Amino acid sequence: KAGVTQTPRYLIKTRGQQVTLSCSPISGHRSVSWYQQTPGQGLQFLFEYFSETQRNKGNFPGRFSGRQFSNSRSEMNVSTLELGDSALYLCASTSGLAARDTQYFGPGTRLTVL
Amino acid sequence: AQSVTQPDIHITVSEGASLELRCNYSYGATPYLFWYVQSPGQGLQLLLKYFSGDTLVQGIKGFEAEFKRSQSSFNLRKPSVHWSDAAEYFCAVGGNYGGSQGNLIFGKGTKLSVKP
Repeated sequence: KAGVTQTPRYLIKTRGQQVTLSCSPISGHRSVSWYQQTPGQGLQFLFEYFSETQRNKGNFPGRFSGRQFSNSRSEMNVSTLELGDSALYLCASTSGLAARDTQYFGPGTRLTVL
Repeated sequence: AQSVTQPDIHITVSEGASLELRCNYSYGATPYLFWYVQSPGQGLQLLLKYFSGDTLVQGIKGFEAEFKRSQSSFNLRKPSVHWSDAAEYFCAVGGNYGGSQGNLIFGKGTKLSVKP
């Protein structure tokens, strides 16, 4: 089974621009979560989607948004980029919503904001 | 509030030596506990997880962890470290929030270096 894929792997943007990151979960998985990883703040939860519905959201400003499509693929969007948005963005997929379900992580998208 | 503390930012061990990475958590209910490993430029790989039952959990790559409720700890151990174990290790706590898996709360990580 193919793992979680994220595109693009690397991205360079300038302040004020917007960006869209994509995540394709493991086949059959219906839940997708997004995390931001930075050296200072570590790994922080952004949001979780299941069956196209946002189920949970972390403490991030409204510039961060996401969505999930009927095929479970997910995108996250960051508008009006700031320097502090430079980070590794990780997507994780899970088969369901049970806390026992393992989150499988993709390789991440490295976003650099100049 | 839920939190995870990994007291050691960086640990260096010699190849073949034993390893223990510490993790303490703060959680209002019975926690679900995880250890993940991240190699440079890679995503996170699950090493092991604890939900209930036997407090000693076996994972992949020869790792194990012990859940100690009285100490709010979930330390990761390996009897003999290999050079390929050099990576960053993250402890995480999760739970079931109103029918949703909810978010994982991660510690800041412990970077492991292995001396030949």
